[in-house]
Amino acid sequence: NAGVTQTPKFRILKIGQSMTLQCTQDMNHNYMYWYRQDPGMGLKLIYYSVGAGITDKGEVPNGYNVSRSTTEDFPLRLELAAPSQTSVYFCASSLTSSGGLGNRETQYFGPGTRLLVL
Amino acid sequence: DAKTTQPPSMDCAEGRAANLPCNHSTISGNEYVYWYRQIHSQGPQYIIHGLKNNETNEMASLIITEDRKSSTLILPHATLRDTAVYYCIVRVPYSGGGADGLTFGKGTHLIIQP
Repeated sequence: NAGVTQTPKFRILKIGQSMTLQCTQDMNHNYMYWYRQDPGMGLKLIYYSVGAGITDKGEVPNGYNVSRSTTEDFPLRLELAAPSQTSVYFCASSLTSSGGLGNRETQYFGPGTRLLVL
Repeated sequence: DAKTTQPPSMDCAEGRAANLPCNHSTISGNEYVYWYRQIHSQGPQYIIHGLKNNETNEMASLIITEDRKSSTLILPHATLRDTAVYYCIVRVPYSGGGADGLTFGKGTHLIIQP
């Protein structure tokens, strides 16, 4: 298993440009998440999905969009990049159920995408 | 989610056991204790979780006090690669409806000294 993969690893955008951050998982997890982490800070949830075709907003969704057409893929779209979106973006997926309720919260993270908006 | 308190930093000698404490005095009966770590420039990594019994896996052991108000993560033989920020998270697992994200506090920066 490759786990959770993210592309690109690093990107520089100009203000107003758009881009899509890709996220793929091969663990057949139903739940997927997008977080952002600003320097020296904890992770903040942007969007999440509980299954194909179902997405919902997290704590900081403004300026982003997501889609979930398949179980494996959960792309994050930035339409009009702004300097405030400079951050490291992490995608994660979680086990739906395996041997106990507590396992539903075992989240597996990708390596992250570093985004710089100038 | 219950609030957690962790020391901001700790040192440990390579090869020794690293014991990372977490205080969660307001934990409720259905909240689990989860530990994650984040090595510099990488995504967070799940380590272990538990409800009330002590747990052990290939990475670490989790000791939860009988009153569940605190816990300790134990890395039995720390190596330089264990240098990371360790996060203790207390929450009720997702059980239906909308899922929400994990809340990472400031964690403990564990530095393994050679």
